[in-house]
Amino acid sequence: DIVMTQSPDSLAVSLGERATINCKSSQSVFYSSNNKNYLAWFQQKPGQPPKLLIYWASTRDSGVPDRFSGSGSGTDFTLTISSLQAEDVAVYYCQQYYSTPYTFGQGTKLEIK
Amino acid sequence: EVQLVESGGGLVQPGGSLRLSCAASRFTFSRYWMNWVRQAPGKGLEWVANIKQDGSEKYYMDSVKGRFTISRDNAKNSLYLQMNSLRAEDTAVYYCARGAIVDYASGNNWFDPWGQGTLVTVSS
Repeated sequence: DIVMTQSPDSLAVSLGERATINCKSSQSVFYSSNNKNYLAWFQQKPGQPPKLLIYWASTRDSGVPDRFSGSGSGTDFTLTISSLQAEDVAVYYCQQYYSTPYTFGQGTKLEIK
Repeated sequence: EVQLVESGGGLVQPGGSLRLSCAASRFTFSRYWMNWVRQAPGKGLEWVANIKQDGSEKYYMDSVKGRFTISRDNAKNSLYLQMNSLRAEDTAVYYCARGAIVDYASGNNWFDPWGQGTLVTVSS
């Protein structure tokens, strides 16, 4: 199984500042035949299901604010929120969909400083 | 708007059974892989199983193999999860989630959208 490890576990950032969450996979999730990284990012607020933010490691889903961006390749990935807004307080998860069992990181709790 | 609505959760004793359902609407259900994902109280997300558009392929996480069965009825736009021999560690909110890519041959695509979830509690 591919193990996904996020860092940090929690993060407190001031409004308007940058937030960075890292995700590392135990093996590469890059598929050379289509040049894609099989990595998604989700945001989950209390009492709600996860919401898709990013897929293919760096493609922002429709309607997601452009302050959210994804980067990385192979085994190391980053979710960046360029200017933190109050509504961004949530738990963020990375997930690999390269192979079953699809696995998620443990989550990073983002709070306002 | 695409909609997924889960039902069937509840309290069940260890060793018992439960059948979850997920009603899909506002998209062509038969053209998408479908998934079940669970989240134990206060914990992270855990993929449980998925099923191909025509039901010909099914995959499971190791801890539920032989106990859970995923199925679908395309005529009823519905996804199911039959859960047998339930254990305390199966206690979780169970979400159904659509594979994002229409007519995709592989289940290896991201999940979008997700339902609101249904809570399964396994306790005596």
